[in-house]
Amino acid sequence: DSGVTQTPKHLITATGQRVTLRCSPRSGDLSVYWYQQSLDQGLQFLIQYYNGEERAKGNILERFSAQQFPDLHSELNLSSLELGDSALYFCASSPGTGLSTDTQYFGPGTRLTVL
Amino acid sequence: AQKITQTQPGMFVQEKEAVTLDCTYDTSDPSYGLFWYKQPSSGEMIFLIYQGSYDQQNATEGRYSLNFQKARKSANLVISASQLGDSAMYFCAMREGRDSGAGSYQLTFGKGTKLSVIP
Repeated sequence: DSGVTQTPKHLITATGQRVTLRCSPRSGDLSVYWYQQSLDQGLQFLIQYYNGEERAKGNILERFSAQQFPDLHSELNLSSLELGDSALYFCASSPGTGLSTDTQYFGPGTRLTVL
Repeated sequence: AQKITQTQPGMFVQEKEAVTLDCTYDTSDPSYGLFWYKQPSSGEMIFLIYQGSYDQQNATEGRYSLNFQKARKSANLVISASQLGDSAMYFCAMREGRDSGAGSYQLTFGKGTKLSVIP
């Protein structure tokens, strides 16, 4: 158990809908990262938050957005869903201390299926 | 160009034998970190081992060791005494950039190697 929690574990929805994925980082970690894993694209970085502020954006679609709350949990919002958004979405957290060994620990993932 | 290349889509190893999973990387940044993660069929991503670009010695964590050859830009994972539970996907990942505190340290992943341990 990495200490990172994600809910829900599975999500099945229809095209055009909107969903919210939730992540709670490990105790003490300030950085939260979101990744998408799909068969064709592999594992791709979406977005990072540090202590409530957006720090970096990767290959995140405009239909997707995220935020990190004062209690450091994070939510990833996916809207106008398309079939191609079906994937495993991971949240990872790290201390964000700036030390060279700042390691990201991953949550169990949320498997999204868009029908 | 691919930043992380894992050339072995799949590998087989006999139980109790050692196996090496290949990873080459591409970066012009002098400061970077290399990570290996394991993803069992259940789906979670498990951190295995880390190697920093300035580390003088190869990293080791239990049965896992990292064969770091900086000049060749390779960071191969060696698993000793393979066990049935080692059957999984293994991903090599890189983080670029000097640590400056709360910076952006997203990981770039390779496509992975599927390891199957044969009894």
